[in-house]
Amino acid sequence: GIQVEQSPPDLILQEGANSTLRCNFSDSVNNLQWFHQNPWGQLINLFYIPSGTKQNGRLSATTVATERYSLLYISSSQTTDSGVYFCAVEFPFGNEKLTFGTGTRLTIIP
Amino acid sequence: KAGVTQTPRYLIKTRGQQVTLSCSPISGHRSVSWYQQTPGQGLQFLFEYFSETQRNKGNFPGRFSGRQFSNSRSEMNVSTLELGDSALYLCASSPGGLPRTDTQYFGPGTRLTVL
Repeated sequence: GIQVEQSPPDLILQEGANSTLRCNFSDSVNNLQWFHQNPWGQLINLFYIPSGTKQNGRLSATTVATERYSLLYISSSQTTDSGVYFCAVEFPFGNEKLTFGTGTRLTIIP
Repeated sequence: KAGVTQTPRYLIKTRGQQVTLSCSPISGHRSVSWYQQTPGQGLQFLFEYFSETQRNKGNFPGRFSGRQFSNSRSEMNVSTLELGDSALYLCASSPGGLPRTDTQYFGPGTRLTVL
């Protein structure tokens, strides 16, 4: 079946460290997005990235569509980066809903 | 532009009651999608409305329904509430064209507790 898997499930880092979060998906996709969910539940858009590489400040993302994975890089982590990171994809067979991964819970320790 | 708004932000109901949640999309956006988030099941798609018509539907029972008005505002209704309906309900808006070429924007959510 359709699967979106994220790793690692949990990550604890010291402030200032770098991290790489991975998203694997089971089929070709029309759309891939990365979100950060803050402690209050708000999903904040990070990247719309069905293919290629994008950067926004300390964050960057790369999607290799042919190999069915995406990576989110966070450099020089800050405590405000803590939260859960989700990737979500749209598969191109008739139902353009977002299918979410199970998330990576990132905790940044001061 | 104002973001996606959802009301109410918090709600407490008892089993058997019904509830209506509201979502106002970003101005100019015509698509509204609803998602349920629970600790056990994660984020799951409920349904999507576009131009007042349900365009897509997830695998939820008929107790979950929705509608969209001519101004693109959307409501979802859950009837005969069960304890398992306790969740964070999120709505997302997008311009609406398919295939999507832009991100979906999420509201702050409504946290429903069923006692």
